[in-house]
Amino acid sequence: DGGITQSPKYLFRKEGQNVTLSCEQNLNHDAMYWYRQDPGQGLRLIYYSQIVNDFQKGDIAEGYSVSREKKESFPLTVTSAQKNPTAFYLCASSKTSGSYNEQFFGPGTRLTVL
Amino acid sequence: QKEVEQDPGPLSVPEGAIVSLNCTYSNSAFQYFMWYRQYSRKGPELLMYTYSSGNKEDGRFTAQVDKSSKYISLFIRDSQPSDSATYLCAMRGGRDSGYSTLTFGKGTMLLVSP
Repeated sequence: DGGITQSPKYLFRKEGQNVTLSCEQNLNHDAMYWYRQDPGQGLRLIYYSQIVNDFQKGDIAEGYSVSREKKESFPLTVTSAQKNPTAFYLCASSKTSGSYNEQFFGPGTRLTVL
Repeated sequence: QKEVEQDPGPLSVPEGAIVSLNCTYSNSAFQYFMWYRQYSRKGPELLMYTYSSGNKEDGRFTAQVDKSSKYISLFIRDSQPSDSATYLCAMRGGRDSGYSTLTFGKGTMLLVSP
């Protein structure tokens, strides 16, 4: 089955620790995205990548980092510099970022900072 | 003024009712308009999309876009308890704006009671 997988589903972190969220897709999509969702909020774009080895900051990139070494994978690292990291993180992918291309979403990772 | 405004609800209706969900926006460059459905603790899934102004129907769902008023709507006919979810509007620019990334509304929570 084609789709997007995110792991882990739930993640707990102590303050001051970096954590990495995994996102893998087997849809052969070029573009991948990371969003953050807080209660009662829409999705806010953290980073996106249109091609391997290239990525751009979204609206709320501070305290986050990404890499795109493979087409299928777009991991997100939440660093200790992120002031309020507790949130629901969603990964998405699309064929390209131009014209209209449907973004498919993964199931999400819920990160809680203890 | 936020770029995309959406009433967070919750909107409670009885089974069988017609539901109207709406978003307003301020950016006249938006040309692609989408509605996503998100069940609790899940990733969003695309329900409908339209390009520019007009209507689009898919089963019980109808999407309307009025670019002159900067207003989009999603109508759900014969609503079912399984329609209970959060509905997110999303929109993006076209070629002239470099196919900008998606901007989401905050989502409207819909509750359909049996």
